[in-house]
Amino acid sequence: EVQLVESGGGLVQPGGSLRLSCAASGFTFSSYVMSWVRQAPGKGLEWVSSISGAASTYYADSVKGRFTISRDNSKNTQYLQMNSLRADETAVYYCARGDYGSGWDFWGQGTLVTVSS
Amino acid sequence: EIVLTQSPGTLSSSPGERATLSCRASQSVSSRYLGWYQQKPGRPPRLLMYGTSSRATGIPDRFSGSGSGTDFTLTISRLEPEDFAVYYCQQYGSSPFTFGPGTKVNIK
Repeated sequence: EVQLVESGGGLVQPGGSLRLSCAASGFTFSSYVMSWVRQAPGKGLEWVSSISGAASTYYADSVKGRFTISRDNSKNTQYLQMNSLRADETAVYYCARGDYGSGWDFWGQGTLVTVSS
Repeated sequence: EIVLTQSPGTLSSSPGERATLSCRASQSVSSRYLGWYQQKPGRPPRLLMYGTSSRATGIPDRFSGSGSGTDFTLTISRLEPEDFAVYYCQQYGSSPFTFGPGTKVNIK
């Protein structure tokens, strides 16, 4: 059974940093593109970042230079290092498994990041 | 960046009715990389359709997708009570992998 479990969310002050993790199980992790998608309270889905199995990285313009996505295929885990966080980045952050052939077919339950003083 | 626009923003329908949701792209999207997701309150998105018209695992056949180029459609042939939710389209062929703003399907 495919499972994606996010962790690392919490309360952080504006300008602060946080590192999210997504632990994967039930599939060959290294074969898939992994992504982070966020959803602000009451808003729609916003793509944040993706990383291929070979560690090519992609970022939304809004986070480029502040966020870093990475993965450890030996630990079946992807990460999102978030620096210089802003209040408007308060959101639930979802981890998603992607495949060009079958869409983004599995999602974690999400982890809440609250940026507030 | 490919901008996706969805219409209507809100669709009020009754169980048993047909629902047609539209997704329009600012530039051509490969039909291989257009997906639809359903999201209910407090839950993560669920993949419904990928590659425009392929149903994801476990998705009932009352859901169908069509389209090409810049115009795509998700059709629910007969709405069931569990179908009232928000629906998002997404293009995942080229970065940035954008989502549409969503269509909320609520009970009339």
